[in-house]
Amino acid sequence: GAVVSQHPSRVICKSGTSVKIECRSLDFQATTMFWYRQFPKQSLMLMATSNEGSKATYEQGVEKDKFLINHASLTLSTLTVTSAHPEDSSFYICSARGVALYEQYFGPGTRLTVT
Amino acid sequence: KNQVEQSPQSLIILEGKNCTLQCNYTVSPFSNLRWYKQDTGRGPVSLTIMTFSENTKSNGRYTATLDADTKQSSLHITASQLSDSASYICVVSPTYNQGGKLIFGQGTELSVKP
Repeated sequence: GAVVSQHPSRVICKSGTSVKIECRSLDFQATTMFWYRQFPKQSLMLMATSNEGSKATYEQGVEKDKFLINHASLTLSTLTVTSAHPEDSSFYICSARGVALYEQYFGPGTRLTVT
Repeated sequence: KNQVEQSPQSLIILEGKNCTLQCNYTVSPFSNLRWYKQDTGRGPVSLTIMTFSENTKSNGRYTATLDADTKQSSLHITASQLSDSASYICVVSPTYNQGGKLIFGQGTELSVKP
């Protein structure tokens, strides 16, 4: 099956700094990538959708200037959390969708802790 | 409002026993319904995907059923193993498919005890 990787798997940063999370589709071309956030005991919440070469579409309530998304190639999307605060601590998961449009493949997630 | 509701919220069973998880949805029309397994601290892994015209789909010890008339789906786990302890999430993809957005249930937390 298709594989999606995320890097790093865990990151701890100080409040006020920025953190970049990478999402890669390893064996297929991802025309669309999705970024989710998951708090403990809750389901995944979609933050934004990104299509290769175009600007990301953010969900209502998600600050686009705080969560910068870049989808520069068909195999890589990045999420940058700018000026991170403790309330941004969460589990961030990406998913990628290829040519078979109805299948999304999820990455293993990135645990962000802001101190 | 399109919703996906799962029950029970949590479940504890003994190793080797069977169990069934439920999913009710109001999303209509929809393209497909998926069941995912999510281990703690990991991303979701697909177990089954069913289109609206399919009634059942199996993947090893996992069998999903779908009743499009009553808008219900179930996931049956046979001969449970300790490694089945995880959150099981029911996800529906609407036909209008707003750029691929999925509608997630809250998940059922399954704990398999020895």
